[in-house]
Amino acid sequence: AQSVTQLDSHVSVSEGTPVLLRCNYSSSYSPSLFWYVQHPNKGLQLLLKYTSAATLVKGINGFEAEFKKSETSFHLTKPSAHMSDAAEYFCVVISNFGNEKLTFGTGTRLTIIP
Amino acid sequence: EAQVTQNPRYLITVTGKKLTVTCSQNMNHEYMSWYRQDPGLGLRQIYYSMNVEVTDKGDVPEGYKVSRKEKRNFPLILESPSPNQTSLYFCASSSGPRKTQYFGPGTRLLVL
Repeated sequence: AQSVTQLDSHVSVSEGTPVLLRCNYSSSYSPSLFWYVQHPNKGLQLLLKYTSAATLVKGINGFEAEFKKSETSFHLTKPSAHMSDAAEYFCVVISNFGNEKLTFGTGTRLTIIP
Repeated sequence: EAQVTQNPRYLITVTGKKLTVTCSQNMNHEYMSWYRQDPGLGLRQIYYSMNVEVTDKGDVPEGYKVSRKEKRNFPLILESPSPNQTSLYFCASSSGPRKTQYFGPGTRLLVL
């Protein structure tokens, strides 16, 4: 079985300040983890992914995430928020064995304050 | 250009009237899937397909059908739509479930 919890449904930060979007997962086997971004009225786009290689993963637009097995977390961070980062972000998990289904979190809406 | 296309983009229908939402990809991907997006619930997988003639249920398959007769196409069929199927639907494709998913632009469905 697998599940993912995004701990904040809405995060607001000021432009130029750090961003932290939190994601916890559970998985019966070692997981692959992803962050996707959805800008208003758009489809989803991959930000970054973890597939059992380096635990610190760098993605597009300055985002990165760290896989922490002991904490079952995969939090998304960015050192300095930009207005164009305003969007909804989804954490996604799939176990590396046993099924081919993807499980999405409920999403975190990021608002950037000018 | 590599892309996933969905049609129609917007659809208003009435309860019980069968409809099909088409999905096509030009990337020769094996894995295709359908999701519905509802406020506060994120995306939930409806059905997925590992390859031609291979489909399986996701987390919310009730009321939906799919088929995969060709590699590039993966239509979503609602035999008898009901108002609780009003949602935003996304099709996605990839070379595998643990690879990058490429999403279509979405189909907004309203069932009256």
